[in-house]
Amino acid sequence: NAGVTQTPKFQVLKTGQSMTLQCAQDMNHNSMYWYRQDPGMGLRLIYYSASEGTTDKGEVPNGYNVSRLNKREFSLRLESAAPSQTSVYFCASVGAANTGELFFGEGSRLTVL
Amino acid sequence: DQQVKQNSPSLSVQEGRISILNCDYTNSMFDYFLWYKKYPAEGPTFLISISSIKDKNEDGRFTVFLNKSAKHLSLHIVPSQPGDSAVYFCAASEGRGSTLGRLYFGRGTQLTVWP
Repeated sequence: NAGVTQTPKFQVLKTGQSMTLQCAQDMNHNSMYWYRQDPGMGLRLIYYSASEGTTDKGEVPNGYNVSRLNKREFSLRLESAAPSQTSVYFCASVGAANTGELFFGEGSRLTVL
Repeated sequence: DQQVKQNSPSLSVQEGRISILNCDYTNSMFDYFLWYKKYPAEGPTFLISISSIKDKNEDGRFTVFLNKSAKHLSLHIVPSQPGDSAVYFCAASEGRGSTLGRLYFGRGTQLTVWP
């Protein structure tokens, strides 16, 4: 049972390069989220998708774009990476039962030089 | 400005003793609170939650207490075990429904349980 799968797990970029982080969940969850975790900062919400076809900004959306490709997949794109985007990125999902339990992926560690 | 605060970055407790992790919040609209546990190189995993209509929720060795008037919650782990060593994040939400995943996280507390 895979749960939430993120790819890639590690990536090094140069300033100005672009890349897409992929996320897929196999739990038939409606809502999906992208968080970033920086040292000493906790997790901060970048973007979320309450349901297929909708996306909304979170706390720190600048420099990112997202696509809810279908119910399973939610991608995060960095169009022009900056060193300030060096972070660990977590994708998460939650089902319609609203138990409060977000299911997180294992994380994608991104370094921008 | 952080709406959820965990003022202790670390806590060290002997095995078998009680661990108490604290969390404060500033937003009076928060009505749902959660604790997540995170091991290195893994994603956070849900531990326990509490709704604002309650003041206590218990699940095995884990109990969360909520003091709404003080805007404070705490997680008690009794007895503490070495496998509990992890970073614990406090999180809060303004409600259920589609905004449920809009969690506001504290900065985390590294718990170390030593034998």
